[in-house]
Amino acid sequence: GAVVSQHPSWVICKSGTSVKIECRSLDFQATTMFWYRQFPKQSLMLMATSNEGSKATYEQGVEKDKFLINHASLTLSTLTVTSAHPEDSSFYICSASPGVYNSPLHFGNGTRLTVT
Amino acid sequence: EDQVTQSPEALRLQEGESSSLNCSYTVSGLRGLFWYRQDPGKGPEFLFTLYSAGEEKEKERLKATLTKKESFLHITAPKPEDSATYLCAVHPFGNAGNMLTFGGGTRLMVKP
Repeated sequence: GAVVSQHPSWVICKSGTSVKIECRSLDFQATTMFWYRQFPKQSLMLMATSNEGSKATYEQGVEKDKFLINHASLTLSTLTVTSAHPEDSSFYICSASPGVYNSPLHFGNGTRLTVT
Repeated sequence: EDQVTQSPEALRLQEGESSSLNCSYTVSGLRGLFWYRQDPGKGPEFLFTLYSAGEEKEKERLKATLTKKESFLHITAPKPEDSATYLCAVHPFGNAGNMLTFGGGTRLMVKP
């Protein structure tokens, strides 16, 4: 089946530093990937749509300069949290689909970010 | 505006006690409805896709059904390992690509 790999699974960083999270589709190509944020006991909140070879589309209220998204190839999208602050601490999850119409999204295992 | 509402928010069952989770949706047009299972600290795991009213899908102790307004996830004789959060999501005609709109989830706890 379609596999999405996300790395790292957890990261602790100091306030003011930047953190990069990678999302890879291992056995399929993904022209579109999605990045979510999830708070404890809450559902997924879509942050942005990552489009291969073009700019990401951000949801309302998400700062594009803080959450930089790069989708340089058909199998890799990265999310960089710039100048991280404690309020950016959260669980970040990426997803992708093989691109076939109406095919299910497959999710990475998430990245737990803690900013101290 | 597309909306997905799941109920209950949390459900406690005894092992073997069958029950159903509800997913009500309001969309301009439905391309597909998806059920996912999420374990703590993990990403959602795909379970089912339903495309049209009347459709049913089964996998082990789980069965998903779909009407024009809601979907049910029936759990028959659950086991403790079925404990997880179950997420429902819709793919409306208004969403670009394969973007999904998620409900709030139902946290299921099955006690031995």
